[in-house]
Amino acid sequence: ETGVTQTPRHLVMGMTNKKSLKCEQHLGHNAMYWYKQSAKKPLELMFVYSLEERVENNSVPSRFSPECPNSSHLFLHLHTLQPEDSALYLCASSQDRRGSYNEQFFGPGTRLTVL
Amino acid sequence: QKEVEQNSGPLSVPEGAIASLNCTYSDRVSQSFFWYRQYSGKSPELIMSIYSNGDKEDGRFTAQLNKASQYVSLLIRDSQPSDSATYLCAVIAREYSGGGADGLTFGKGTHLIIQP
Repeated sequence: ETGVTQTPRHLVMGMTNKKSLKCEQHLGHNAMYWYKQSAKKPLELMFVYSLEERVENNSVPSRFSPECPNSSHLFLHLHTLQPEDSALYLCASSQDRRGSYNEQFFGPGTRLTVL
Repeated sequence: QKEVEQNSGPLSVPEGAIASLNCTYSDRVSQSFFWYRQYSGKSPELIMSIYSNGDKEDGRFTAQLNKASQYVSLLIRDSQPSDSATYLCAVIAREYSGGGADGLTFGKGTHLIIQP
């Protein structure tokens, strides 16, 4: 595997379900991100992790819970979602270091549908 | 509030011509600028990054940055039908300070159509 991978690629869940999205990066990066892409809206930053510590939580509802066990893996735990949470969820990674300009590389995304 | 503005298009350009995509941003402290290409149903792909005023060229792509005017553009020379996609402008507001990664602020994107 190369680059940034995400699983599952598609997910349909009910509002009472609990599910998790997984992201893995094979680029040797130390920062990882979750973004949300909804129809007719710009990509929105959700969470930022640098060196496995969360550095930003962009006012995301608590029904989304991120986890970063190490610098290569990132999870997004989902529970009691709403239909308006249906979107493409994108994971990205970058190398966060002095002098770096934080070029971020995206995974293929998980298309989430909440019924 | 940080904002990035792009004309949503569609921008239609004949094959072989130059496509010009524009982006303005509101945060004067913005330091890093990126162009991503996104095909329908796919994730964004980084194609250019620029940090200093002036032009940066990479193959058929040229990024132009004017911080005084808070304006960044992308030129695509010799446009090909395969260039048809949505082009996203993204900005990092904070200059690297030695600690903490920073998220991107995106525009809504410009839909580019290259007509054969």
